[in-house]
Amino acid sequence: DVKVTQSSRYLVKRTGEKVFLECVQDMDHENMFWYRQDPGLGLRLIYFSYDVKMKEKGDIPEGYSVSREKKERFSLILESASTNQTSMYLCASKARGDYEQYFGPGTRLTVT
Amino acid sequence: AQKITQTQPGMFVQEKEAVTLDCTYDTSDQSYGLFWYKQPSSGEMIFLIYQGSYDEQNATEGRYSLNFQKARKSANLVISASQLGDSAMYFCAMRELEGGFQKLVFGTGTRLLVSP
Repeated sequence: DVKVTQSSRYLVKRTGEKVFLECVQDMDHENMFWYRQDPGLGLRLIYFSYDVKMKEKGDIPEGYSVSREKKERFSLILESASTNQTSMYLCASKARGDYEQYFGPGTRLTVT
Repeated sequence: AQKITQTQPGMFVQEKEAVTLDCTYDTSDQSYGLFWYKQPSSGEMIFLIYQGSYDEQNATEGRYSLNFQKARKSANLVISASQLGDSAMYFCAMRELEGGFQKLVFGTGTRLLVSP
């Protein structure tokens, strides 16, 4: 079974802090994704990576950056957290050429 | 413009009844795909069913079927014989190619509540 894990289920941070959200997948997938989920807006793509050290902006990249130093790990970085980044963050991965994305359990981030 | 539209914020159904969750999409691509995902209160997105634009038969997976009407650009999810465990958020998504990369675009979701 594909397993995608995220470092925290719940996280509370203060405004201005640097925040790291980690995602690890164990299926050797080339592609990895970060989404944020907000009520009434569905899931929106922040960044994705199609291979190690490669990254592409999604639909809402402002205020975020990413890092993919190893194939299995994709990190989302909030350089200076703000209250409007309070949200649910979901990581996903898929194999190149496949359609289905496999999701992690999500991290609910609160910025106070 | 919304690429994926789910017009039902919430739906109620009684156990053992069938329910249809609506999804319409907008694309000019010839090759695309539609997904349905389930998100229980635990938060994890669970893949349910997939329909490719060139698939002539409607996709089915157990109690889930996708009513694909290409001309109307709709891809409704039908859940037969609802169970209490079907209570969750349901998201419709479309696979699209942008800049050479496959991406998923999601709708806003429908919350389904199954009552005994």
